[in-house]
Amino acid sequence: NAGVMQNPRHLVRRRGQEARLRCSPMKGHSHVYWYRQLPEEGLKFMVYLQKENIIDESGMPKERFSAEFPKEGPSILRIQQVVRGDSAAYFCASSPIRSSYNEQFFGPGTRLTVL
Amino acid sequence: AQTVTQSQPEMSVQEAETVTLSCTYDTSESDYYLFWYKQPPSRQMILVIRQEAYKQQNATENRFSVNFQKAAKSFSLKISDSQLGDAAMYFCAYGYGNKLVFGAGTILRVKS
Repeated sequence: NAGVMQNPRHLVRRRGQEARLRCSPMKGHSHVYWYRQLPEEGLKFMVYLQKENIIDESGMPKERFSAEFPKEGPSILRIQQVVRGDSAAYFCASSPIRSSYNEQFFGPGTRLTVL
Repeated sequence: AQTVTQSQPEMSVQEAETVTLSCTYDTSESDYYLFWYKQPPSRQMILVIRQEAYKQQNATENRFSVNFQKAAKSFSLKISDSQLGDAAMYFCAYGYGNKLVFGAGTILRVKS
């Protein structure tokens, strides 16, 4: 059973460009979480999605960031007009049911570098 | 708001020795989960151990065990018989509802 897949593993963008990060959850998992890890810091929750629904986006910056988890295909974290401060590792996790009472399985992360 | 504090930015241990990593958290909830994750240089997040807050018995996974003090809101990780492969960043995390709250991490170095 393949784990959580994220691509690309590394992404370089210039200021003002758009970044699209993809996450395919583990088979049978319908809940996806996105976290951001700034250099020298722990992971910070961004958003929680189920298929076609955003359940909790309390950790998402109000502008330029959006997330979706369509009925078919991977979850996408989209960052418009990237700035240098967006440089970070972005992790996706998935779980079979809603609560983090069960383990969240993490992907390998996407490292975004903004030049 | 829930917060997680790891007061040790960095720890060192001799191979085969025992080391304890500290973690405290703040919450008003009574039912929650606590986790220790390991992040090696590959940056992959690996679950080390999990503790249910309603269980008094401390969780154990092979060489890894926790000391869970609910009243003190303390959740330390003990690594016995340390191995070179244990060298990594370790994150303590609090789980409630649909999100995990992470501490800032402790870098563990293992000396041969």
